[in-house]
Amino acid sequence: GEDVEQSLFLSVREGDSSVINCTYTDSSSTYLYWYKQEPGAGLQLLTYIFSNMDMKQDQRLTVLLNKKDKHLSLRIADTQTGDSAIYFCAESLNTGGFKTIFGAGTRLFVKA
Amino acid sequence: DVKVTQSSRYLVKRTGEKVFLECVQDMDHENMFWYRQDPGLGLRLIYFSYDVKMKEKGDIPEGYSVSREKKERFSLILESASTNQTSMYLCASISAGNTIYFGEGSWLTVV
Repeated sequence: GEDVEQSLFLSVREGDSSVINCTYTDSSSTYLYWYKQEPGAGLQLLTYIFSNMDMKQDQRLTVLLNKKDKHLSLRIADTQTGDSAIYFCAESLNTGGFKTIFGAGTRLFVKA
Repeated sequence: DVKVTQSSRYLVKRTGEKVFLECVQDMDHENMFWYRQDPGLGLRLIYFSYDVKMKEKGDIPEGYSVSREKKERFSLILESASTNQTSMYLCASISAGNTIYFGEGSWLTVV
């Protein structure tokens, strides 16, 4: 079946690195995404990685993809209180219609 | 075994009454949560606490308050219960390894 799983909650201290993990089951993923949802706001696309890449870095964000283990992670360096939000992992499947499966979201809380 | 214990399983309260729901965990977890679960809506986070005397609003904090005077105890308070607060309330705590442990739930009916 198609499934994307994430931890429910992560708390870190301001200035530390955060690592949010995601596992998925379908090996036909084309793109994998990280979205951020702040309180009262919609989903904001943070970054994405194509399935033939291992790593992508964008300023404080580093995405790592382990295709063998079907594991995706998002590392946020120097985490700030403004990074507190819910982070959703998602994968697009090449099933003819590019279906996207979302995880349930990881709530990141940054302690000042 | 980790235990998250909710003191009241079933309560019936009148509109306007003050209601206390108590939750105790015995594994020294820093992070504790109160959720409510309603048919068709899934779990919704009311409040959470990441340390003694520290609390943060979740997604639906209106009408609720919380208290965390000791690390092991996290209380949910309904200052003036209303019928739309009839629900199942779940307490949870999370270990350092991010494993979540739920209590058995408290069924609250407000009449």
